[in-house]
Order: sequence, then C-alpha cells, then structure tokens
Amino acid sequence: SQQGEEDPQALSIQEGENATMNCSYKTSINNLQWYRQNSGRGLVHLILIRSNEREKHSGRLRVTLDTSKKSSSLLITASRAADTASYFCATASSGYSTLTFGKGTMLLVSP
Amino acid sequence: KAGVTQTPRYLIKTRGQQVTLSCSPISGHRSVSWYQQTPGQGLQFLFEYFSETQRNKGNFPGRFSGRQFSNSRSEMNVSTLELGDSALYLCASSITNNEQFFGPGTRLTVL
Repeated sequence: SQQGEEDPQALSIQEGENATMNCSYKTSINNLQWYRQNSGRGLVHLILIRSNEREKHSGRLRVTLDTSKKSSSLLITASRAADTASYFCATASSGYSTLTFGKGTMLLVSP
Repeated sequence: KAGVTQTPRYLIKTRGQQVTLSCSPISGHRSVSWYQQTPGQGLQFLFEYFSETQRNKGNFPGRFSGRQFSNSRSEMNVSTLELGDSALYLCASSITNNEQFFGPGTRLTVL
C-alpha cells in the first residue's frame, strides 16, 4: 500500500526555473527520504530528513518536513534538463529500513 | 565502494515457470530489501533481510520468497509465475535506518 502521495503527478518547467514537489503521508515516521529515478532505472537517493528536523539542504535541493501536517516538500532550484526524472518520497518507520513509497512526480525540464 | 549489483538485468519467462533474482549489496551493508515496481501499483515493498534473517515482509503471496547468505548477498525467488509478476524488481542495501542504496533492477517479463 502507498504511504505517501506526491503532488503534482507531473510537472513541466523550463530550464532555470524552480520545481516544487509535495508529499503527504499517513502514519508516524522515523525519517522521510526523496529519490530520483531516470526512465525505469534504479533509484538514486537524494536526501534524508529525520522526523525531528524541519529543513535540510543539499546543493540545489531543499527539503522541508512538517510532521504535524504529515507532509514534506522538495524544491529543486535552477532546474536543468538533466533533472528530468521521476521523483519519489519514501517514509521509514522506527526500527525498520523498510521504505513506503508514494506514486511519484514526473518532472520534465525543457531546455 | 562498488554499488549494489543485480543479476540478471533482463529476464523473459513464461507463465508457470519460476525465477531467481540475485542481489549483491554494498560491502558492509547487512540489510537488503527487495521492491517490486509496476506502472499500476508503483513501488511496493517485498521483504527485508538482515543478517540472514527475514526481518520484515510486505503483502505479497507465498510464491514470492527470498533468502540472504552469510556474505549478505540475497536472492529472491518467484514460483509459478503469473503475467502480473512482470515488473522491475529492485534491490536495496542499507545500514539500518539510513538511506537505502538501490541497484539498477531486474526487468522481468512474463509471457
């Protein structure tokens, strides 16, 4: 079963613009992670934010977490064509490595 | 360090056959998880192994099984294949409760 729901399902922007994706989840979590997947290949880990953190940065990525609303957002600044991919949020509960994924957001960045 | 490797990368089987997929985790990672990805159901957790023991199991029928060896390498087996088993099977390794590192996946097609 899906824990998270990403919004929007698809996003199309121009290079240089910012892309924001949102994720909502249902149960309490230990951490929330964002992954990228290029065209049916393996998942690449982007960033992990723990339940006691509110914001985290990594390069052009900014992730926020609001545990009271059970939601997270991923911001990619100054998007590039190479950022074109599907982005998934995944939650992990305490004591387990198991991830529960959302359905993902397909991001298309046009040159 | 070498990444997670999965073999084979592509596989074509017919209904009723069985299949075994292999995963070699990153050196030092003792947790190995398996996920199934389909267009309809998205990414779904199959099972997780830690130190040769199944630690967690998803909601899949008993036709799906797995094991982990003393060197942390893992295999999953699907018996009596059905058309609906066609999917990308992803293996991930991790240090418990941290980010998971995914392999490139095995694309299984059942005819």
